[in-house]
This record gives sequence, structure tokens and C-alpha cells, in this order.
Amino acid sequence: AQKITQTQPGMFVQEKEAVTLDCTYDTSDPSYGLFWYKQPSSGEMIFLIYQGSYDQQNATEGRYSLNFQKARKSANLVISASQLGDSAMYFCATLGYQPGANNLFFGTGTRLTVIP
Amino acid sequence: EPEVTQTPSHQVTQMGQEVILRCVPISNHLYFYWYRQILGQKVEFLVSFYNNEISEKSEIFDDQFSVERPDGSNFTLKIRSTKLEDSAMYFCASSGSSGPQETQYFGPGTRLLVL
Repeated sequence: AQKITQTQPGMFVQEKEAVTLDCTYDTSDPSYGLFWYKQPSSGEMIFLIYQGSYDQQNATEGRYSLNFQKARKSANLVISASQLGDSAMYFCATLGYQPGANNLFFGTGTRLTVIP
Repeated sequence: EPEVTQTPSHQVTQMGQEVILRCVPISNHLYFYWYRQILGQKVEFLVSFYNNEISEKSEIFDDQFSVERPDGSNFTLKIRSTKLEDSAMYFCASSGSSGPQETQYFGPGTRLLVL
């Protein structure tokens, strides 16, 4: 069974500042992936960043980085130098690597608003 | 850059009618998925498809749903007799050939409204 918790329904950040979006998870799979997706108001789901459970280093993709703390089961997304276009819903998701568990399981999301 | 495409972008239908949602996954991907998102809620898994058969399905994916890969490029979701509660955004996704643990790339979605 998998569970994803995103405790921040909404977050505000000043343009050019950094922001951290929280995600904690619970999974019984010994190996798994953690993903963040962005959903702007237009509705599409845009892949941002991936972290494998056995990766030693935190993942980074441009202005996005993932603060992965395996023992605490957290996978927070850090967005640096926020831009107005970052305003969107952000979803954390897990993916199990076991047979029968290869689907993404999403959290409830955090709505980020970037203030000019 | 290759992307997943979906048609139509919007579909309005009457309760009890059949709808077919279409997807063209990324061309060299082998794993295909359908997810749905009821307005204001989280994204939920419906079904995954590999090697011309369903590999996993959720409790949501009951007998009124079916999936098909009618040719080498399209992947479809059919809802036989739509209900009001089927109104949602339906996303198709695909992932590559290394295994189902690869990143899933989503299409832009089809917004279905059942009246």
C-alpha cells in the first residue's frame, strides 16, 4: 500500500525567492521512485523531477531540486528563483517497482502562487 | 521533443452514452496508462497496458471501461455507458522500454463532461 501526504494545500512565494513544497510518503515497496509533476491552470501534467529510492544524491533539474530524506520518508521539492510561470498545482507521486505496483500514486497537491 | 497527444481535448456527452477517448503515446514507448482527475481532486490511476494486454487496473476500472491499442500508434479508453460521476479529466501517459519504473509522460488530457 502506498500513501502520499502533501500537507500544504496552498503556498505563496515572492518572485525570485526559493520555495519548498513538502511531501511525505509511506510505501511497503523495497525500491520505488518519487516524482513531482506540475499542473498549470491549463490542466496538463508536466513531469518535473525524479528520485530513485536507492539514489545516493538528491536529484536536480535546472531550478528544481528534490530534498530526499529516505529515513524520514520525505521528498520535498525545492524551486529556486521562483518565476511567475511557476504558479500552478504541484503533485508528488510514488511509483512502486514491484509487479502489480507500477502505477503512479499521487498526493492531493499544493497550489503554489508566485507573487510579483 | 516527442510528446503524448490526446483527442478530443473536450467531450460533452449524455448519461448512458458511449465515449472513446484517444491517445497517441510517445512512439518508442511500450507502457501505456490511463489516469483520471475529478475536478479539484488528485490524479487517480485507472489502468496500465503492456504487450497488448492490461497489466494492472484499479478498482475504478470496472466493466464499463475498456482499453485497446487498435493499431501501432493509438491507445484508446472506452466508457460504455457513461455516468454523471465519470465527469473528469482523463490523462493518457506512456513510459519507455526499460521497464514500468521509467518516468511516465502525460498527455494534455481530455476533459469529459457527462450531462
